[in-house]
Amino acid sequence: AQSVTQPDIHITVSEGASLELRCNYSYGATPYLFWYVQSPGQGLQLLLKYFSGDTLVQGIKGFEAEFKRSQSSFNLRKPSVHWSDAAEYFCAVGGNNNDMRFGAGTRLTVKP
Amino acid sequence: DSGVTQTPKHLITATGQRVTLRCSPRSGDLSVYWYQQSLDQGLQFLIQYYNGEERAKGNILERFSAQQFPDLHSELNLSSLELGDSALYFCASSVQAASWGTDTQYFGPGTRLTVL
Repeated sequence: AQSVTQPDIHITVSEGASLELRCNYSYGATPYLFWYVQSPGQGLQLLLKYFSGDTLVQGIKGFEAEFKRSQSSFNLRKPSVHWSDAAEYFCAVGGNNNDMRFGAGTRLTVKP
Repeated sequence: DSGVTQTPKHLITATGQRVTLRCSPRSGDLSVYWYQQSLDQGLQFLIQYYNGEERAKGNILERFSAQQFPDLHSELNLSSLELGDSALYFCASSVQAASWGTDTQYFGPGTRLTVL
C-alpha cells in the first residue's frame, strides 16, 4: 500500500513570505497526488491534484505543487502567503489499487 | 461549500451507546466515503460505498457499520461506543468508484463526536 510523509508538523511564516510544504510519498505504481486544506472547524477542501502530464500543477488560492518522481515528492508552494492561508494542509496519495492515504498534516501559522 | 452535507454537527453521548451519523453526497455523486479524524490517528479511511454497494474497507472497527440508501445518502452507525471513538467523522463523495484512489473527493464539514 502507499504511504505519505509530511515531515513538518507545524510551520510558521510571515504574511507576504513564500511558503513550501513538503510531501513525500511511497507507491510502487503511478501515484495520484492531492493537496487538501482544512480550515478550523471545516472539512477538507481540494487545492490541487496531479494525475499525469505537466509536473507543475496550479491550484486554487494561488497554490502550486511540483511532482518530482526522482525524489518521490509533491511539495506545495505559494509565492506570497496571506493571513487567510492559516490552516492545516494534507497531502494524499492514491492509485489504481483502490486505496488512498493521507499524510499527518502540516499546520500553517501566518504571522502578521 | 462542497455540496456534501452531514448531520448532526456535534454529538455528545456516553460510553456503550450507539449513534448514527448521516451524510448526503453532492448531486450526481455515486460514491460516499467515511473517514475518522483524531489527534492520535490522523485522518483514516473507514469505508466506501458506491451506488448502494460496499466497495472498499479501511480501518473500520467491527462495532462500526455503514450503508448507502437508494437516494444515495449514507449513514455511519457506531455502537458500543468507547472514549477512544471521540473524533471528527467526515463524509466525502465523488462521481465514480472505479479506482477511487484516482477520483477527486469532496468533503463534508464533519460530525464531531464526543464520548463521555
